[in-house]
Amino acid sequence: EVQLVESGGGLVQPGGSLRLSCAASGFSFSTYWMSWVRQAPGKGLEWVANIKYDGSEKHYVDSVKGRFTISRDNAKNSLYLQMNSLRGEDTAVYYCARERVGVGGSSLQYWGQGTLVTVSS
Amino acid sequence: DIQMTQSPSSLSASVGDRVTITCRASQSISNYLNWYQQRPGKAPAILIYAASSLRSGVPSRFSGSGSGTDFTLTISSLQPEDFATYYCQQSYSTPTFGPGTKVDIK
Repeated sequence: EVQLVESGGGLVQPGGSLRLSCAASGFSFSTYWMSWVRQAPGKGLEWVANIKYDGSEKHYVDSVKGRFTISRDNAKNSLYLQMNSLRGEDTAVYYCARERVGVGGSSLQYWGQGTLVTVSS
Repeated sequence: DIQMTQSPSSLSASVGDRVTITCRASQSISNYLNWYQQRPGKAPAILIYAASSLRSGVPSRFSGSGSGTDFTLTISSLQPEDFATYYCQQSYSTPTFGPGTKVDIK
C-alpha cells in the first residue's frame, strides 16, 4: 500500500524557516517524480514544486522561487521542502504527492494527509 | 502561466442527479488535464487523468471528456459520497489548478 506521511509543519514567524519531510513507503520511491502542493485555509489547491526521480530536475511555482528548495533522499525514501523567508501567504496545509508521468502528461496519483504551516507573529 | 477556470463555482444537486462540471484552459493543453475530488478535511484524490482516463478503483459513474481548451467532468448519478469539491489541473506546463467546484446537497 502506498503511503505518504508529511511532517515538520508548525507555527513560524514571518521571515523564518521550516523544513517539511515526507516519508514514502509501499512503492519504489526512487522511480517516481514527487510534488508538493499546498492549500491555504478555505482556499483552493496550488502546486508548489516537483522533483525528478533522481533529483536531477526541479521545478517551482514563481511565488516560491528563491525561497523554497525541494530535495529528496532516495536511500531514506524521503522527500523534503526547505522553506526560507516565509511569509503570511505561505500559510497552508502542505501535501506531498506521487506523480504519474505518461501519455497525457503528469498527474498526482497518491497524496499524503498534509501538514499545516502557519506563518504568523 | 496557463490559467484554469471552472464553472459553476458551486452547485446544489440531489442523489441520483446527473452533474456536469466544466473546466477551461487559457490556451490549448491538448489532453493534459486531470480531475481531483476533495472531501471536507481530507486530502485530494485523483479521479480522471489525461482528460478521460479513469483512475483504477474510481467508480464508473465518473467520466471526463474534452481536449484543447474545454473539458468536462460528468457524474452520471450522484451518490452521497460524491458531495465534495472538484478541481481540474493542467500539466501541459507549470501545473495549475482550477478554483474548484463545490457540489453540495440540494
